[in-house]
Amino acid sequence: SQKIEQNSEALNIQEGKTATLTCNYTNYSPAYLQWYRQDPGRGPVFLLLIRENEKEKRKERLKVTFDTTLKQSLFHITASQPADSATYLCALVNGQNFVFGPGTRLSVLP
Amino acid sequence: GAVVSQHPSRVICKSGTSVKIECRSLDFQATTMFWYRQFPKKSLMLMATSNEGSKATYEQGVEKDKFLINHASLTLSTLTVTSAHPEDSSFYICSARDPQGVAYNSPLHFGNGTRLTVT
Repeated sequence: SQKIEQNSEALNIQEGKTATLTCNYTNYSPAYLQWYRQDPGRGPVFLLLIRENEKEKRKERLKVTFDTTLKQSLFHITASQPADSATYLCALVNGQNFVFGPGTRLSVLP
Repeated sequence: GAVVSQHPSRVICKSGTSVKIECRSLDFQATTMFWYRQFPKKSLMLMATSNEGSKATYEQGVEKDKFLINHASLTLSTLTVTSAHPEDSSFYICSARDPQGVAYNSPLHFGNGTRLTVT
């Protein structure tokens, strides 16, 4: 069966450092992968998507990589700020089918 | 950008009563909406896919008689939790995709969720 994992339940980093979150999956061949941010008590908000034939995507301080051989995506936040503290979810997408990972709760410490 | 509005944001009800949650797409038409449930510190669990003008498709293990879904128009889907019990207490979130979504890889647009507490 499909399985999607995110590297850790929680990640603490110091302000200004780069946060790296990992999304690994098995038994699935997504057409593309999306990353969402979720704040407590709110719905997820879309951040970035990357297609299966793309290696890397950037948006401001965010960078996503996608390795379909390793079945892994890395999500980087550079120059992290306390306002980046949230839970980040990866989602594998194929057509109308979305499969979400369990999320990583990121805390950026001032 | 596409906005999905969900109401109410919080509801407390007594065991045995029913609760209706509304999900609206404000600036686009959504033939399909998705209903999720989320437990604390857990990921989103898809409950059902709501299809405008037809029956909803429920995921395995989700009771269709317990969680009634109605998608009566292109901008409104409702989830009714019938005869609610304390174990139904959870965070329920709806989402929708722009109709061009599949062709243009658009993301899901989520409502802000409904915190249901059954006492």
